[in-house]
Amino acid sequence: DAKTTQPTSMDCAEGRAANLPCNHSTISGNEYVYWYRQIHSQGPQYIIHGLKNNETNEMASLIITEDRKSSTLILPHATLRDTAVYYCIVSGGTSYGKLTFGQGTILTVHP
Amino acid sequence: GAGVSQSPSNKVTEKGKDVELRCDPISGHTALYWYRQSLGQGLEFLIYFQGNSAPDKSGLPSDRFSAERTGGSVSTLTIQRTQQEDSAVYLCASSFIPGLAGRNEQFFGPGTRLTVL
Repeated sequence: DAKTTQPTSMDCAEGRAANLPCNHSTISGNEYVYWYRQIHSQGPQYIIHGLKNNETNEMASLIITEDRKSSTLILPHATLRDTAVYYCIVSGGTSYGKLTFGQGTILTVHP
Repeated sequence: GAGVSQSPSNKVTEKGKDVELRCDPISGHTALYWYRQSLGQGLEFLIYFQGNSAPDKSGLPSDRFSAERTGGSVSTLTIQRTQQEDSAVYLCASSFIPGLAGRNEQFFGPGTRLTVL
């Protein structure tokens, strides 16, 4: 699976949009970009995934660049409960869906 | 609820003892995964089950670790002769359609915190 690079930490004010970047320059054609998050002392939670088109669901939006070498997860109106570690993961091909977690981005939402 | 459940939630054991950790996946999910999360190593993959077979055991750290799954449902992760470096949170996840690109939404359980004294 392709390696991903994320900032170690980010801050966001409550009610504002949180934009979390991820670089995955070695992504291959059959690999998807997944985002998970982990709130303290809980198991990881799936957020969203995409291949090459932008995606939106009830939790977030995913913007993938045209060359697919980077993506941005957008939480449109961050709340205090969105404080968590956010993981960008590239998976697909023959990996059976195995997830390879990096260090992720610690997002802190401030009042 | 109908989420992934794991037991026990916490386990404290003495070095050298064997432990068993249990995972109940979401009903109907054919794929089951074990991960562990420790301070030094982050979140790492251990083993993957498709039904009762394990086509990928590449993440098991040593032969002291084994896992089985019966009836395509419950899975048990066994650690023999535990060592202090085995201390970690062991997480189980399940998914409905394994390996199908774009359909790998894994649902995680709350984990078992293992402490080896």
